[in-house]
Amino acid sequence: EPEVTQTPSHQVTQMGQEVILRCVPISNHLYFYWYRQILGQKVEFLVSFYNNEISEKSEIFDDQFSVERPDGSNFTLKIRSTKLEDSAMYFCASSRPLSSYNSPLHFGNGTRLTVT
Amino acid sequence: SQKIEQNSEALNIQEGKTATLTCNYTNYSPAYLQWYRQDPGRGPVFLLLIRENEKEKRKERLKVTFDTTLKQSLFHITASQPADSATYLCALPDRGSTLGRLYFGRGTQLTVWP
Repeated sequence: EPEVTQTPSHQVTQMGQEVILRCVPISNHLYFYWYRQILGQKVEFLVSFYNNEISEKSEIFDDQFSVERPDGSNFTLKIRSTKLEDSAMYFCASSRPLSSYNSPLHFGNGTRLTVT
Repeated sequence: SQKIEQNSEALNIQEGKTATLTCNYTNYSPAYLQWYRQDPGRGPVFLLLIRENEKEKRKERLKVTFDTTLKQSLFHITASQPADSATYLCALPDRGSTLGRLYFGRGTQLTVWP
């Protein structure tokens, strides 16, 4: 069964550095998402992306964050000038193009970001 | 936004019994509700979706109910097995979202012991 793949599985960075988290969504999906989960907390929505532009973003997704689909397969999340509180598990997800309003999300296994 | 509460953070049951997990929401009634399973260090995995006009949905040993009057969904696992041990997440869509932005509950950690 096709799956969403994320790299790296674990990223350690120093405060103030930039990181790029990478995702390869399922190939026939057209809707892409980033969620994050701080240890012990809820899974939280960051951003949704469709047709090469951001569709929705949460209050968490401020100017420090950006997303990009640089080619036909990758979907990236960039965090500029990381802060300690950015430490979390970041999940990429994708969903099918038809009836996407209530289509389930297919999640990757996440990138654990540790900011020191 | 939507406030979601899932019953006790942890539920421990014996193998073979039925596990019942609760999801309550407090604001608007969503058009649908989803349940996901999350294993430690992994991403959520979709299990079931139930729409507001459906009272019940089944898939193998799983059953979900949706009561919009009570603002509650119940998730049942019958004939539970140790392999069912995981955290189960309830998720509801944002009312104004067009692309399935979801709010997740904190989850209920289920442990099934032999």
